[in-house]
Amino acid sequence: QVQLQESGPGLVNPSETLSLTCTVSGASISSFSWSWIRQSPGKRLEWIGHIHDSGSTNYNPSLKSRVTMSVDKSKNQLSLNLRSVTAADTAVYYCARVVVIPGTPPLYYFDYWGHGTLVTVSS
Amino acid sequence: SYELTQPPSVSVSPGQTARITCSGDALPRQYASWYQQKPGQAPILVIYRDTQRPSGIPERFSGSSSGTTVTLTVSGVQAEDEADYYCQSADSSVTSVLLVFGGGTKLTVL
Repeated sequence: QVQLQESGPGLVNPSETLSLTCTVSGASISSFSWSWIRQSPGKRLEWIGHIHDSGSTNYNPSLKSRVTMSVDKSKNQLSLNLRSVTAADTAVYYCARVVVIPGTPPLYYFDYWGHGTLVTVSS
Repeated sequence: SYELTQPPSVSVSPGQTARITCSGDALPRQYASWYQQKPGQAPILVIYRDTQRPSGIPERFSGSSSGTTVTLTVSGVQAEDEADYYCQSADSSVTSVLLVFGGGTKLTVL
């Protein structure tokens, strides 16, 4: 069974970098695409981006200038860095496996999710 | 930007049928998925590719699509179905992709 577990600081100072890790078990991180999604206190879900098994990335244009995603194949982990954070970045952050099927139209959906980790941006 | 619009809330009595809609301009040419989220838990996929149900999801959950609207139908609603439901789709081109979620609908079982 595929399981994902997010980890990282629960409190980040404004203007600093939010760094999270997602440890994957039950699946090889090299064989699938993986995503970060966040949910604000108002409960809206926002796709941050995903990284394909090829290593290529797609980011939400609204966050693209501040986001970097990477994978560590040796640890079967996915990482997120979000720079220059503000209070608006306070949210529960989820990692998820994203199914990507090219075609017309292409198909994207999230079949496994981590439990999520709350990150608060405050001094 | 691309938006998906859902009603904030839907209420039904146990045993009745609940229908939750999601509207978006790109839906005629993009697939949609649906997620169930209970308080304090991560979302769970209940429908993908407009109408497909993952293994382990009860048959009372079904999806449909018509024009710019997709619909999640829960037939014979049970108390355990009370949750927030989110639609999700994509706006993609040859050079870019944007995955989006609707604002969510709270299903209340009276």
